[in-house]
Amino acid sequence: EADIYQTPRYLVIGTGKKITLECSQTMGHDKMYWYQQDPGMELHLIHYSYGVNSTEKGDLSSESTVSRIRTEHFPLTLESARPSHTSQYLCASSEYQAGGPIDTQYFGPGTRLTVL
Amino acid sequence: QKEVEQNSGPLSVPEGAIASLNCTYSDRVSQSFFWYRQYSGKSPELIMSIYSNGDKEDGRFTAQLNKASQYVSLLIRDSQPSDSATYLCAVNCGRNYGGSQGNLIFGKGTKLSVKP
Repeated sequence: EADIYQTPRYLVIGTGKKITLECSQTMGHDKMYWYQQDPGMELHLIHYSYGVNSTEKGDLSSESTVSRIRTEHFPLTLESARPSHTSQYLCASSEYQAGGPIDTQYFGPGTRLTVL
Repeated sequence: QKEVEQNSGPLSVPEGAIASLNCTYSDRVSQSFFWYRQYSGKSPELIMSIYSNGDKEDGRFTAQLNKASQYVSLLIRDSQPSDSATYLCAVNCGRNYGGSQGNLIFGKGTKLSVKP
């Protein structure tokens, strides 16, 4: 059973506001990810992290930023929200072994963001 | 080029039938393969992982991998209406595309509809 949490689950906010989407996992996983997914569309990786103090940009360019100060916590921040940021944001985590087999990614429940 | 291809569907099968979902991938170095199920508005949940050529069975689900043909499939026996969802194929990125080695590449998903 995967223990990965995201808050808030739903957020409706006005243009220009700063927002932080929270993601926490209790599995001790080193690697964490943020994906963006529009309804009915594919997942796009926007950020990932190998561990504390590691952050990398994903395949899809994003105006958001992330931080990884603690292993269990991987928040995503938008400094100034715009309607184009309206989407579902999914956090995931996995074990990581350099050179080893790729372990399963477990997903959180997601945050559905609407920017008016 | 990183690619995971799936037929978008919808694939419609009657209740009790076998549903067959297919996925091809382009990176010959890929070693880890996953099937996720995603209900509308929800986050992906893992169904199966497979790492070796051949079949892997788990209850009503069977994953099949053929690395020579770069092909992975998922069979769902005795399909139920509750199996109606989008099924995502995910393959690890085997090559170091700008540091993304080890990340998963997701297909666009196949929408399955099981009719009572």
